Amino acid sequence: DTGVSQDPRHKITKRGQNVTFRCDPISEHNRLYWYRQTLGQGPEFLTYFQNEAQLEKSRLLSDRFSAERPKGSFSTLEIQRTEQGDSAMYLCASSPTVSGVYNEQFFGPGTRLTVL
Amino acid sequence: DAKTTQPNSMESNEEEPVHLPCNHSTISGTDYIHWYRQLPSQGPEYVIHGLTSNVNNRMASLAIAEDRKSSTLILHRATLRDAAVYYCIRFYGQNFVFGPGTRLSVLP
Repeated sequence: DTGVSQDPRHKITKRGQNVTFRCDPISEHNRLYWYRQTLGQGPEFLTYFQNEAQLEKSRLLSDRFSAERPKGSFSTLEIQRTEQGDSAMYLCASSPTVSGVYNEQFFGPGTRLTVL
Repeated sequence: DAKTTQPNSMESNEEEPVHLPCNHSTISGTDYIHWYRQLPSQGPEYVIHGLTSNVNNRMASLAIAEDRKSSTLILHRATLRDAAVYYCIRFYGQNFVFGPGTRLSVLP
């Protein structure tokens, strides 16, 4: 399967612990997005990368959150000192950038985080 | 506000057409309208997009109002596999702004 993959699929942690999620985009896609989705809501944009450059961050991305895409391939999203309010599904998506063509976003299955 | 407005839920019978409405009254002239859907326990997936004229693809049709303040996603024959949350999305800045979507139930 050459779709977007995310690891782990589920993570349970205790409040105050740090967690890290990984996203592997479709190989030829140079844009990578992170979203957060809480129950009953649509995904909320967190940040996106063009290759290795982080081009935009939402104000939802507090200083406890950090994302990297060191070689323009896979990306990691780290949450430090987790809080119960961080419990959510974290979705990753990727898209190509082809000028003049609509760039559909391809989503991964998500990582469900539960903070106890 | 960049978010769109959709009904919270809709119901359809299997093999009947479904019309899912969306209001996007603050849309600018160059914003595309995008529709994605999210099946249970999966990430969203692309359905269709358009700018001004009506669009068709193998999954659905998109009817865009002449003033572009609203649009309708049309599933011509709903199947049980079409039960999902359907999101009408604006592309704001460089990113999608999702609302809560419409939860479509398909009855056998």
